[in-house]
Amino acid sequence: AQSVTQPDIHITVSEGASLELRCNYSYGATPYLFWYVQSPGQGLQLLLKYFSGDTLVQGIKGFEAEFKRSQSSFNLRKPSVHWSDAAEYFCAVGGGFGNEKLTFGTGTRLTIIP
Amino acid sequence: GAVVSQHPSRVICKSGTSVKIECRSLDFQATTMFWYRQFPKQSLMLMATSNEGSKATYEQGVEKDKFLINHASLTLSTLTVTSAHPEDSSFYICSARRPDSPLHFGNGTRLTVT
Repeated sequence: AQSVTQPDIHITVSEGASLELRCNYSYGATPYLFWYVQSPGQGLQLLLKYFSGDTLVQGIKGFEAEFKRSQSSFNLRKPSVHWSDAAEYFCAVGGGFGNEKLTFGTGTRLTIIP
Repeated sequence: GAVVSQHPSRVICKSGTSVKIECRSLDFQATTMFWYRQFPKQSLMLMATSNEGSKATYEQGVEKDKFLINHASLTLSTLTVTSAHPEDSSFYICSARRPDSPLHFGNGTRLTVT
């Protein structure tokens, strides 16, 4: 069975500081990995995805993530956060080009302090 | 712009009544849509897979008679919460499968049962 672990429930960083959100997955085959962001009361917006190829993927809003098969990880990073980045971040794993049902992690809430 | 529209965004209903939530793909035909439920401060849990022209596939533990799903056209899936109770209060999110593209999510529906 596929699963996703986001070990950090809540992270607080200062505006302008770097950010790394952790994600570990379990999947029996080649994983399709995603990071989504959710603002309060809103749906999910795709930040980036990994299907194959280059293990460092670039996304929207200056985010990037690195797929490390040996560590079963897909951590999200941003070199300098902005106040508007405060939100809930979900890592997800799926199959079938990512169009099959996704399994989500429990999310990491990001708070930005001035 | 949004490619998946969900309506309504918020609904309050009385216990015992039924509520219908719509999920529309705006500029593509979706043979498959997914319905998720999100409890406060928790992750998204897949409830069911909605298949156009056939019965929905429900995840284990989801009451199919309570959460009726109809996917009558290639652009519309509906979720009806029947005989709603306060414990059904939650955030419901749909997603649609677009060919050769990751899942797109609606903005969610906040259901409050009084």
